[in-house]
Amino acid sequence: QLVLTQSPSASASLGASVKLTCTLRSGHNNYAIAWHQQQPDKGPRFLMKLNSDGSHTKGDGIPDRFSGSSSGAERYLTISSLQSEDEAEYYCQAWDTGIRVFGGGTKLTVL
Amino acid sequence: VQLVESGGGLVKPGGSLRLSCAASGFTFIDYTMNWVRQAPGKGLEWVSSISSTGTYKYYADSLKGRITISRDNAKNSLDLQMNSLRVEDTAVYYCARDMLDSASLDSWGQGILVTVSS
Repeated sequence: QLVLTQSPSASASLGASVKLTCTLRSGHNNYAIAWHQQQPDKGPRFLMKLNSDGSHTKGDGIPDRFSGSSSGAERYLTISSLQSEDEAEYYCQAWDTGIRVFGGGTKLTVL
Repeated sequence: VQLVESGGGLVKPGGSLRLSCAASGFTFIDYTMNWVRQAPGKGLEWVSSISSTGTYKYYADSLKGRITISRDNAKNSLDLQMNSLRVEDTAVYYCARDMLDSASLDSWGQGILVTVSS
């Protein structure tokens, strides 16, 4: 069964960097995922598709401050030079035949 | 790319509702489309997908039997028929597009609120 695990919360200071993690359940190490951002009271926004080899395809207009990487079953989203507008919920999403699955989300607080 | 949902509102438990999504700015017939929902204060939950030609339809187990997804490629529209609605179906429902080469969702609508309450 395809399951994605995310820490419920993270925090980092304005101008700093933060690395969010999405963990795929055992047996799914080769799966790609997507990262989505949801700012308060807004709909989700696609950030990037992240492959198991760390290569990624970003959505239109996504700043270079957002990058992705992979290691084993872990998929990472790194945000550098944090800005106040980066305070949001971040969801990872994966897929298998006929289904899409979301992680529980990580609420990022910018201090 | 623009995805605009409509059809939400207040409905009583056991009632029905039909959501629609108007798509523009891309070649609709090329893409698999999805519905995703978000209950108040909760995370995202995938609801249903339909292939580009409408041949293949998939549903989340929690909703199977109560919902039907459909599309009209001539009108660039996506629908979700919801029956036997429950209080726990209260959520914002989003229309979302797959990427061309994978099931990564790469475009989202603004969402439409469905409230199931007596």
